[in-house]
Amino acid sequence: DAKTTQPPSMDCAEGRAANLPCNHSTISGNEYVYWYRQIHSQGPQYIIHGLKNNETNEMASLIITEDRKSSTLILPHATLRDTAVYYCIVRVNTDKLIFGTGTRLQVFP
Amino acid sequence: GAVVSQHPSWVICKSGTSVKIECRSLDFQATTMFWYRQFPKQSLMLMATSNEGSKATYEQGVEKDKFLINHASLTLSTLTVTSAHPEDSSFYICSAREGSGNQPQHFGDGTRLSIL
Repeated sequence: DAKTTQPPSMDCAEGRAANLPCNHSTISGNEYVYWYRQIHSQGPQYIIHGLKNNETNEMASLIITEDRKSSTLILPHATLRDTAVYYCIVRVNTDKLIFGTGTRLQVFP
Repeated sequence: GAVVSQHPSWVICKSGTSVKIECRSLDFQATTMFWYRQFPKQSLMLMATSNEGSKATYEQGVEKDKFLINHASLTLSTLTVTSAHPEDSSFYICSAREGSGNQPQHFGDGTRLSIL
């Protein structure tokens, strides 16, 4: 599965949009991009996933570049409860999810 | 939505004890479940893939005789840490996937294991 690169940490003001980038330059044509987040001392929470089209759900939006080499997770109106480590993972239908180090998002008042 | 439950949420026991952790998919059937381990300030590390009705597949470096996995039904997988020692103290997390293809995995809330 392709490797991902994320910034180690980001800050965001409460109420503002949080834009979390992810590079996956070696992604292959049939690999999906998944986003999870982990709040301290809890199991990871699924956020969203996509293949090549942009996706939106009640939690977030996922923007995937046309060449699919990078993507951005957007939390439109960040709250303090969105403070967590966010993981971007790419995988094909092999079931395995291999977690990198993620981005630690700190939302401040 | 898909819910995965883990039990117990935390356990403290003496060195040499065996500890069993349960992972249940509450509202869906899962032919495959996964077990992860997470040390403080580190990312999740996949330990093994649990397959219903067959043997688990372990990742490189994970001792299968140390970490026994049983997946006897489509809604339950168990991880038993045998003869646990302080270095086995960690946060153990399971996940399960509903359906097949690109459906996402859903995670339990984890089990914090402390070996004295």
